[in-house]
Amino acid sequence: DQQVKQNSPSLSVQEGRISILNCDYTNSMFDYFLWYKKYPAEGPTFLISISSIKDKNEDGRFTVFLNKSAKHLSLHIVPSQPGDSAVYFCAANTRGYGGSQGNLIFGKGTKLSVKP
Amino acid sequence: EPEVTQTPSHQVTQMGQEVILRCVPISNHLYFYWYRQILGQKVEFLVSFYNNEISEKSEIFDDQFSVERPDGSNFTLKIRSTKLEDSAMYFCASSASVLTDTQYFGPGTRLTVL
Repeated sequence: DQQVKQNSPSLSVQEGRISILNCDYTNSMFDYFLWYKKYPAEGPTFLISISSIKDKNEDGRFTVFLNKSAKHLSLHIVPSQPGDSAVYFCAANTRGYGGSQGNLIFGKGTKLSVKP
Repeated sequence: EPEVTQTPSHQVTQMGQEVILRCVPISNHLYFYWYRQILGQKVEFLVSFYNNEISEKSEIFDDQFSVERPDGSNFTLKIRSTKLEDSAMYFCASSASVLTDTQYFGPGTRLTVL
C-alpha cells in the first residue's frame, strides 16, 4: 500500500542544469508535504515543505510545486551542484487523517547524481 | 544549529537480547518520534510521543517495543527480545509542535541482530 510514491529510483543531471524530482500521493486528506535529503550513513535532512493551501514554495535553489488535483508534487533544484548528490525522499504528514497526531509517510526515494 | 543526536551509531546484538537505543531531541521540541529503515526499504514510522505518553504507534510497534523519556533530555527506544528482522537503521526525530509539522531527524543507529 504505497500512499506516497516516487517512481524514479534514480536521476542523473549535469552540474548547472535543473533537477526535477517527482512524487505522487494517493490520499487527498494529506495536507502537508516535505522533502528530505539523505546521505549514506546519515539521517534524513529536512529541505523544504509545502502546505496544501499553497501551490509553490521556494527556498534558495529549491522549489517545491504542489498540484492537488493531480496529487502530485515536485522538487526543482536550480542550478544543480555535485554536492546535491544524495537520495531525496518525499514525505506526507498524516496529521488529521484517521485521527492521526501526525507522522510521516515516506516515498522510496530518488537517488540524484549531479555530474561535474 | 541545534540537532538531534543518537547513540550508539552501531549496535550489534544476539537474537533474543534486549537493546536500548538512545536519542537526545532538540532541546525546545515537544514531540518525539522513532522511525526505522530496513535495508533497501522505505523509512517507516514506529511511534510518536508527547507529554510523556505515546501519541500514536504503527502496527510494527508491538509489545516487544517500548519508549521512554527517563529525564528531561533523553528519549529511548527499547526492544525487549530482538529478532533477526529487527535489523535496520533506527532514526529518532523531534518537532517543536505538531502545528509546525517539520520533523528533524538524528543520524540514526544501525542495529544488527545476529
